[in-house]
Amino acid sequence: RKEVEQDPGPFNVPEGATVAFNCTYSNSASQSFFWYRQDCRKEPKLLMSVYSSGNEDGRFTAQLNRASQYISLLIRDSKLSDSATYLCVVPHMDTGRRALTFGSGTRLQVQP
Amino acid sequence: DTEVTQTPKHLVMGMTNKKSLKCEQHMGHRAMYWYKQKAKKPPELMFVYSYEKLSINESVPSRFSPECPNSSLLNLHLHALQPEDSALYLCASSHLDRVFSGANVLTFGAGSRLTVL
Repeated sequence: RKEVEQDPGPFNVPEGATVAFNCTYSNSASQSFFWYRQDCRKEPKLLMSVYSSGNEDGRFTAQLNRASQYISLLIRDSKLSDSATYLCVVPHMDTGRRALTFGSGTRLQVQP
Repeated sequence: DTEVTQTPKHLVMGMTNKKSLKCEQHMGHRAMYWYKQKAKKPPELMFVYSYEKLSINESVPSRFSPECPNSSLLNLHLHALQPEDSALYLCASSHLDRVFSGANVLTFGAGSRLTVL
């Protein structure tokens, strides 16, 4: 099983729709999780952090299910500007190794 | 504007050339990273520096040579690259607390887009 797995999409949704992405992770010891957003030909930027059961920031909600080892990202009232690739990110858990592992990303296209 | 500055933004080089990518941050971060990203793929970790010392090398070929001259600068020296090395090279930095957190997560530069002919 890959360390971090995501549905690559693309998810094509109309403006105003609600869309959710899932991300599964393999290391049950992982404590913190992140969603990054990456626009085409740009660098990844932090969208949300998730530590406990979840986190909400405006139209975006991230939820963590430790029992099933997945995190989800819910986007409500989608905007055209939400079109991007959403990367699920989990810290390395090896001793002494400090870095982040990126999922393959889920591409979202919001259409007018 | 990103707080991690990378130069050059674009680089075209031949397989016999020697070039360098540069990265600079002034956020006081003591961890700096090089990631490589191919089109439609996620960033792949190459190197991590902690307190200016190399702490992770993800089995990267020796034609890529990282250097961390001080706590603000990170270089990636390139020599005898192959066309398949063409990619977006992303530099990132973070604080060196024990765990990653929302306030202590990676900040990326805009990247250097490399084309090897």
